Parts: sequence; structure tokens; C-alpha cells
Amino acid sequence: SAVISQKPSRDICQRGTSLTIQCQVDSQVTMMFWYRQQPGQSLTLIATANQGSEATYESGFVIDKFPISRPNLTFSTLTVSNMSPEDSSIYLCSARPGQNSYEQYFGPGTRLTVT
Amino acid sequence: DAKTTQPPSMDCAEGRAANLPCNHSTISGNEYVYWYRQIHSQGPQYIIHGLKNNETNEMASLIITEDRKSSTLILPHATLRDTAVYYCIVISGTYKYIFGTGTRLKVLA
Repeated sequence: SAVISQKPSRDICQRGTSLTIQCQVDSQVTMMFWYRQQPGQSLTLIATANQGSEATYESGFVIDKFPISRPNLTFSTLTVSNMSPEDSSIYLCSARPGQNSYEQYFGPGTRLTVT
Repeated sequence: DAKTTQPPSMDCAEGRAANLPCNHSTISGNEYVYWYRQIHSQGPQYIIHGLKNNETNEMASLIITEDRKSSTLILPHATLRDTAVYYCIVISGTYKYIFGTGTRLKVLA
């Protein structure tokens, strides 16, 4: 298993600013992911954070808006750039520890409110 | 689009078995069925997964039909702490999770 922490747990930001969310895993993992959960909705995959290379984004998400870093096997960041109120959501990271299972472990999420 | 269909909500009396259905009629031979739950204001929590055989662990049982087009998650003795949104996900080599809308289970005292 893996224990995942995120910082900050919540934030209130002004439109036009950017926020960087950190995700730390307590062990080395093969894959890390970032999701968005809009109010009252299910989770939507934003991107796969690749160690040592550019993230792989899902349809509807672009690097300029959501730049992602993954400098090593235990850490990743997601930046929400040039924020608008529509970016108000919970952002969650997850990790897939092993090669032989598709199981993912999720962080507690970062609740972002943009005013 | 999600590959699974679940009822939007269900109620269950405390102490009784909660049976949560999931339809995945387009599942292919190498795709697994995974179940997660999300308790309010927390990240999703892994429950159980299966390919074609029924599975049981300390949290739940998973019954997969012979044609694999549907499955049922069983919480044998539901408690108030089991109140959550339950997600059924089908996954294969792409390793990407596509979450559907899930089932909001409410356990009643």
C-alpha cells in the first residue's frame, strides 16, 4: 500500500493567480495521477505524471493550464494557472505502487475555491 | 465515457447486507472490475477487485456474473461508517481510471 499526503489541504485564491499543489507518497511508486472533482461530481482524470518526462494529459486538459512536475518516484506537483471561479474543485493525486496491480491509492485532496 | 452504470442511490438498514450492483456490459476479456468508495471529504478508498472469479476480503465480497457483464459488491453487515459513494471501475492495460457517477449508499440507523 501507499500513504499519500497533499499540501495545501484547502485554499482560497483570487482569479488570475496560480496555485501549486504538492503530492507526497511514502514509498516509491510506478505511476502518479492527478484528478479533479467538481462540486457534487465524480472524479475526472487530468493527467498522468511521468517521472523524468512530460505529463500525459487527458482530453480537455492542457499543460499551459495545469503544468505538472514529477522529479522523482515519490513526489509530484500540479499547478492550476490563471485561475477562474470555474477552477473551484477538489484536486486529488493518486499513486499506483506496483507493476502487477492496477490498484491506486488516493490522497485526501486539495479543496480550491477561486473568488 | 464511463464504462460502467450504477444506480445513483441506495439505502440500507444498519446491520443488514448492502448489495450494490454495477453494469459493465461492454467489458472485454482482460479488463478487471475495481470497487472504490469515497466517504465525504476524503479521497477514494480501494475496496476490492476481480477478473472473473468471485472475491472476498475483510471489507466486502465481489460477485461477478459468468458473462462478466455485471457485478455486485456486497457489504455483509453495513454500519453507519459505510455511508459513502461507491464507484465501480473497469480497467485494463491503459491503467487509467474512468469514474462513473457511482452509487450514493446511505446506511440508516
